[in-house]
Amino acid sequence: AQKITQTQPGMFVQEKEAVTLDCTYDTSDQSYGLFWYKQPSSGEMIFLIYQGSYDEQNATEGRYSLNFQKARKSANLVISASQLGDSAMYFCAMRDSGGYNKLIFGAGTRLAVHP
Amino acid sequence: DTGVSQDPRHKITKRGQNVTFRCDPISEHNRLYWYRQTLGQGPEFLTYFQNEAQLEKSRLLSDRFSAERPKGSFSTLEIQRTEQGDSAMYLCASSPRHSSGSMDNEQFFGPGTRLTVL
Repeated sequence: AQKITQTQPGMFVQEKEAVTLDCTYDTSDQSYGLFWYKQPSSGEMIFLIYQGSYDEQNATEGRYSLNFQKARKSANLVISASQLGDSAMYFCAMRDSGGYNKLIFGAGTRLAVHP
Repeated sequence: DTGVSQDPRHKITKRGQNVTFRCDPISEHNRLYWYRQTLGQGPEFLTYFQNEAQLEKSRLLSDRFSAERPKGSFSTLEIQRTEQGDSAMYLCASSPRHSSGSMDNEQFFGPGTRLTVL
């Protein structure tokens, strides 16, 4: 069965510093997709970045980049130049192989950015 | 288009009452998903619609839960005889029809409905 593991319940970072949020996944599929979402206290899930298993380069979106290590089955999110507004819950997710593209989420990491 | 909307944002009810939530997806998105998120956890899949057809239901969706998507537009999620264990955030997401573009895999989430069962 597919599974997403986020081992960091909480992380702290100083404003303007970079931070890495860990995500490991388990799947027997050759083709899969990995996502990161941000959830502020308001509750809405905000899409950040996507990595396909066949993508040769690590995905980047502005200050977000994904450190994709296929052999280790890890897809860590790197946030550069942290801002106070980055304080939120962050979820790693995988597209389910059973069809219909439903997402399987990890338990999340709460990030706190300190001034 | 302002994105996925959900109504109500908050609902407090007494145990045993019925509640209904509504989700309006992004127009022209034919795929619609419901997820449930309990405190301290990531969202868990409940059910999936493609247009008006409900194609998949999670085992989390007990007989007390029913979802519809008439005419393939908005969707409703009803919980009958609510229990305290139903207290959670109910999230709706939509996505366009799958194509070769990777970004089409993205699901767009609404703000959620937070249910509290007393």
